[in-house]
Amino acid sequence: AQTVTQSQPEMSVQEAETVTLSCTYDTSESDYYLFWYKQPPSRQMILVIRQEAYKQQNATENRFSVNFQKAAKSFSLKISDSQLGDAAMYFCAVGGSNYKLTFGKGTLLTVNP
Amino acid sequence: GAVVSQHPSRVICKSGTSVKIECRSLDFQATTMFWYRQFPKQSLMLMATSNEGSKATYEQGVEKDKFLINHASLTLSTLTVTSAHPEDSSFYICSAKSPGQETQYFGPGTRLLVL
Repeated sequence: AQTVTQSQPEMSVQEAETVTLSCTYDTSESDYYLFWYKQPPSRQMILVIRQEAYKQQNATENRFSVNFQKAAKSFSLKISDSQLGDAAMYFCAVGGSNYKLTFGKGTLLTVNP
Repeated sequence: GAVVSQHPSRVICKSGTSVKIECRSLDFQATTMFWYRQFPKQSLMLMATSNEGSKATYEQGVEKDKFLINHASLTLSTLTVTSAHPEDSSFYICSAKSPGQETQYFGPGTRLLVL
């Protein structure tokens, strides 16, 4: 079984500032993958970033980066230089050998101009 | 690349009727597709896994006779909500992945309202 916990229901950030969204997970699998997806008001799920658990190096995608702490089962998302278009619900997810994803409850990010 | 479409985007139907939702991978072959349900202000809940050419596998608590899934080709999966009732009203989202890849790409979702 897999579980994902996002302890921050809501976060806010000033435009151009940096914000970190928290995520912890639990899984019984040795090989697994971690994802952050973004869901704007349109409700389209958009992949933000992915991390293979066997890789020690933290994934980065432009302004988005993760802090992956495998021993602590922590997978936080850092958004640098926040933009108004970053406002959305962010979901952390873990996937294993059967490719099924387990999602956290989400963090609603507000970006203030 | 990795575009997934869903049709219709929204549907309103009367109680007791059946509704079919299509999920298509437009630029890749998807041997596996997933169907999720999302209630307002909540997370995505996996309903079933759809594998091309075989029966879908359903998550615990999901009625397979209520939510019929067909994955007849490498680019199309359909979800049919049979004898829909108001409690079936929800946002249904599909996702697709290509063979050997772990990342799921999501469709834009279908809003179902049963009157």
